[in-house]
Amino acid sequence: QVQLVESGGGVVQPGGSLRLSCAASGFTFSSYGMHWVRQAPGKGLEWVAFIRYDGSNKYYADSVKGRFTISRDNSKNTLYLQMNSLRAEDTAVYYCAKDIIVVVQRSYYYYMDVWGKGTTVTVSS
Amino acid sequence: DIQMTQSPSSLSASVGDRVTITCRASQSISSYLNWYQQKPGKAPKLLIYAASSLQSGVPSRFSGSGSGTDFTLTISSLQPEDFATYYCQQSYSTPVFTFGPGTKVDIK
Repeated sequence: QVQLVESGGGVVQPGGSLRLSCAASGFTFSSYGMHWVRQAPGKGLEWVAFIRYDGSNKYYADSVKGRFTISRDNSKNTLYLQMNSLRAEDTAVYYCAKDIIVVVQRSYYYYMDVWGKGTTVTVSS
Repeated sequence: DIQMTQSPSSLSASVGDRVTITCRASQSISSYLNWYQQKPGKAPKLLIYAASSLQSGVPSRFSGSGSGTDFTLTISSLQPEDFATYYCQQSYSTPVFTFGPGTKVDIK
């Protein structure tokens, strides 16, 4: 079945780095854009980054721009998030999610149809 | 940037109640509005896309409506498994998505 499994979370000191991975299975990974979404403890969902199916374009939330890098390896069916210069406010559960495009009445609509279970990142000294 | 608000931020309801959650966008987003359900410790789950289209496998007691800036998610008869937090999400500015702050539905 369609599945996304995140890994790489952990405890890191402020200013440190971490790389998250998201292993995809059950679908043609190279055909879909992918997102990272995070959720700080007790808070709501925050979109973090998106990468197109072929890696040609990448988009970031202002809160992580210049510090985080999204990438993918379609030969390994894996999505990545390189996180540098980490701050306490980056502490969160990080989810990867699959992007889907559907046509409704000749208009294109986008949403996240499959999510991983998340990996926890804690930034603390 | 498009900002999303939701009301109420939380509500208490009983099994069988009709529940309505409102989401408002800071500018017109046509029908580019999705709804997700999240239970504690779990990943979000898509309920509604394109403002009113029910995702496959989602019970028909869930429905969405609205366009422009004002949207609603309605649960026609609340079930025990529906106690969760609900988020709206705009996809007008795709792939830069914005979520609403969430509405927590708990048991009265």
